[in-house]
Amino acid sequence: QVHLVQSGAEVKKPGASVKVSCKASGYIFTGYYIHWVRQAPGQGLQWMGWINPNNGDTRYAQKFQGRVTLTGDTSITTAYLELSGLASDDTAIYYCARAGTISTPPDGFHAWGQGTMVSVSS
Amino acid sequence: EIVLTQSPGTLSLSPGERATLSCRASQSVGSRNLAWYQQKPGQAPSLLIYGASSRATGIPDRFSGSGSGTDFTLTITTLEPEDFAVYYCQQYESSPRTFGQGTKLEIK
Repeated sequence: QVHLVQSGAEVKKPGASVKVSCKASGYIFTGYYIHWVRQAPGQGLQWMGWINPNNGDTRYAQKFQGRVTLTGDTSITTAYLELSGLASDDTAIYYCARAGTISTPPDGFHAWGQGTMVSVSS
Repeated sequence: EIVLTQSPGTLSLSPGERATLSCRASQSVGSRNLAWYQQKPGQAPSLLIYGASSRATGIPDRFSGSGSGTDFTLTITTLEPEDFAVYYCQQYESSPRTFGQGTKLEIK
């Protein structure tokens, strides 16, 4: 079955960067988009962007343009989210999620990672 | 950007009752590119409905989705104790892929 396993919690200082990993298994990694979504404490879900692991194409939400970088390593079936210039309001749980195939119309997020808590504090 | 507005913000019902959750879009979500997710405390969201009305794998048939254009509904016909959670709608018609603010379904 499909599994997305994320890296552990991070504590960062303001201005620092964080890199979160998402290890995929149970399916063909290069065949499906990976999206990233975050959730601040007690708040709703906020979409950040997607990556096509097959060719590295990415699309980012305007809010995060210039600060977020999504990458993938097909050799170890792992996707990465890097967020720079951290501020206190970046404190959130960051989720990776698998969407539809790269060759079919857009789809919902059928599988999610367990989430990675990123805390930003001086 | 398509803004999704969910109502009510909180819904208080008892097990065995019927729940109706609404999601309204600021512009048409063509091709019914709308999903519903359930999130329980301390857990990641999980997909319930995609394509506005298709149940995800393993989702019981007491959950159903309907609607098109700008108005969508999630219905839970007979509430079970495990259904009390927060529910989000999401559109994947266009980027950014926005979510509604959520409806909290709580035990009355």
